Amino acid sequence: GIQVEQSPPDLILQEGANSTLRCNFSDSVNNLQWFHQNPWGQLINLFYIPSGTKQNGRLSATTVATERYSLLYISSSQTTDSGVYFCAVSGNTGKLIFGQGTTLQVKP
Amino acid sequence: DAGITQSPRHKVTETGTPVTLRCHQTENHRYMYWYRQDPGHGLRLIHYSYGVKDTDKGEVSDGYSVSRSKTEDFLLTLESATSSQTSVYFCAISDGGYSYEQYFGPGTRLTVT
Repeated sequence: GIQVEQSPPDLILQEGANSTLRCNFSDSVNNLQWFHQNPWGQLINLFYIPSGTKQNGRLSATTVATERYSLLYISSSQTTDSGVYFCAVSGNTGKLIFGQGTTLQVKP
Repeated sequence: DAGITQSPRHKVTETGTPVTLRCHQTENHRYMYWYRQDPGHGLRLIHYSYGVKDTDKGEVSDGYSVSRSKTEDFLLTLESATSSQTSVYFCAISDGGYSYEQYFGPGTRLTVT
């Protein structure tokens, strides 16, 4: 099945800093989603982005399907951005496979 | 936000007892999924449904069964709960198969003592 690797595993930022999270996957995909799991455990949809670039406020994402990676950019980070960020992908015959996540802590 | 609710939100039960978790959606989506989340394993698919009375296994289906008698409800049953089934359980929905965006419910924290 498809392998999903996220980096870095942990990230600590000062409020206001920018960051880039990476998701590498091992095969072609027809679904790629980024989620934020907040400290209360809720999974929040950030982007549905099997290819291309999208932006939503301070967050943006880019997926380069031919090179099998996706990037999540967080600009001007806030303490409410803290939590775990998951990348999840599915291929033609597979189910949605989650990466291990990047744990982000934003300090005031 | 997608209209997905899960009940109960928290449950503590004893080993060997049956447990049923409920997922309810108001979006009329065809596909529904049950995942479990454990430290070190991320989220893993237990079972999914692609229509009323149509279900299939995921990667960690042993010890679990599911039923879907209505579009809006998807039940997950642990016939005889074990301590290894202590986990956080998430329901998800999508309007189509795996290439479609999935939306997740708030989760149920289950502890088996």
